[in-house]
Amino acid sequence: SYVLTQPPSVSVAPGQTARISCGGDNIGSFSVHWYQQKPGQAPILVVFDDTDRPSGIPERFSGSNSWNTATLTISRVEAGDEADYYCQVRHDSIDYVVFGGGTKLTVL
Amino acid sequence: QITLKESGPTLVKPTQTLTLTCTFSGFSLSTSGMAVGWIRQPPGKALEWLSLIYWNDDKRYSPSLKSRLTITKDTSSSQVVLTMTNMDPVDTATYYCAHRRPYRDVFDIWGQGTMVTVSS
Repeated sequence: SYVLTQPPSVSVAPGQTARISCGGDNIGSFSVHWYQQKPGQAPILVVFDDTDRPSGIPERFSGSNSWNTATLTISRVEAGDEADYYCQVRHDSIDYVVFGGGTKLTVL
Repeated sequence: QITLKESGPTLVKPTQTLTLTCTFSGFSLSTSGMAVGWIRQPPGKALEWLSLIYWNDDKRYSPSLKSRLTITKDTSSSQVVLTMTNMDPVDTATYYCAHRRPYRDVFDIWGQGTMVTVSS
């Protein structure tokens, strides 16, 4: 099976930049999508196709993807960004749709 | 505006079959490129993709659960139904249905989720 590896937790002070990684074998050849999930809520899409943002998502959220690591970057972090973040790809040959294990972002 | 809502039992017994319904609005599953997926999340754990059904009735399943899952659609009723056989306590989770962005395998709109507990 295809595995996406995320750090369990990331901590950042308000106003700083948070970077959440998503590692996978040759992940740079896939489109990576990122979801934010706050406690008790359904996930929402914050970045798709590596770098695009759905309407309504602040420009502070951005993404990149190269070689074996994709990264979600949140600039000027706010308290309201505290949530779990999941990466996701489609892998035709193996598991089709795969989610990472999730990263808990803590705003100090 | 696209919305989705899951419905089904909150409690099922081990070995029983779970049937969940996703009722949606704001799009038609007969339109080219459209698809609806199911994803679940055990308490305190990560998201796990289960299944997808496309506008042309093509279907995809998680390899690890394929033998237990069946997904169908009723276009006229704007519903997608997922059945999971032989339920086990490890299947206790919140089950979400989600709209797939046309021609992209990314879920852009999610339902609120429905919690299913498997217990005797």
